[in-house]
Amino acid sequence: AQKITQTQPGMFVQEKEAVTLDCTYDTSDPSYGLFWYKQPSSGEMIFLIYQGSYDQQNATEGRYSLNFQKARKSANLVISASQLGDSAMYFCAMREAYYSGGGADGLTFGKGTHLIIQP
Amino acid sequence: DVKVTQSSRYLVKRTGEKVFLECVQDMDHENMFWYRQDPGLGLRLIYFSYDVKMKEKGDIPEGYSVSREKKERFSLILESASTNQTSMYLCASSTGPHGNTEAFFGQGTRLTVV
Repeated sequence: AQKITQTQPGMFVQEKEAVTLDCTYDTSDPSYGLFWYKQPSSGEMIFLIYQGSYDQQNATEGRYSLNFQKARKSANLVISASQLGDSAMYFCAMREAYYSGGGADGLTFGKGTHLIIQP
Repeated sequence: DVKVTQSSRYLVKRTGEKVFLECVQDMDHENMFWYRQDPGLGLRLIYFSYDVKMKEKGDIPEGYSVSREKKERFSLILESASTNQTSMYLCASSTGPHGNTEAFFGQGTRLTVV
């Protein structure tokens, strides 16, 4: 089963509108971290926001916020007042705290959402 | 400013060649990772290392090996490059063993095997 699911391969949004990018995850580890990265066409991966599994509050970083619903295993990224420069691929990722030995201890990524902001 | 640097931005190699992709980080991070990125598949972990001379297989290690002789440097080796290894390769590093630390990425190496 996929550990990270991003159901929106692509999205078109008008400039200045708010955007919600969906992410659901699957883990049995009680301690984990959830991350969102942005990848513009230049290729570099830019860290946006982090949410820990024990954090009581939803994470926020400027125009980015993470809508964390633990019971639903959902970690949607919300971008307020979108800008043309927000056009990029967006990846949701998870890192489990305890290395089980049967798999990898790196970040597990979703397949990404290609966001295009239209003027 | 934190930095992860990959030695090449673009590489073209022939089938059967031995290929080295180099990655250097200046943050004194314990963990380093190699991913490949393909359209529609997201990023997939090839190998990672949590200490000098230590390495662990990721999800898709076949056809690759790695080397970590110094803490700051993590090399990905394609012993005999094949066309199905044409991809974008991303190196990353992070500190700490647990889930609450972000990974910092290099700019990526786009490898084409002809």
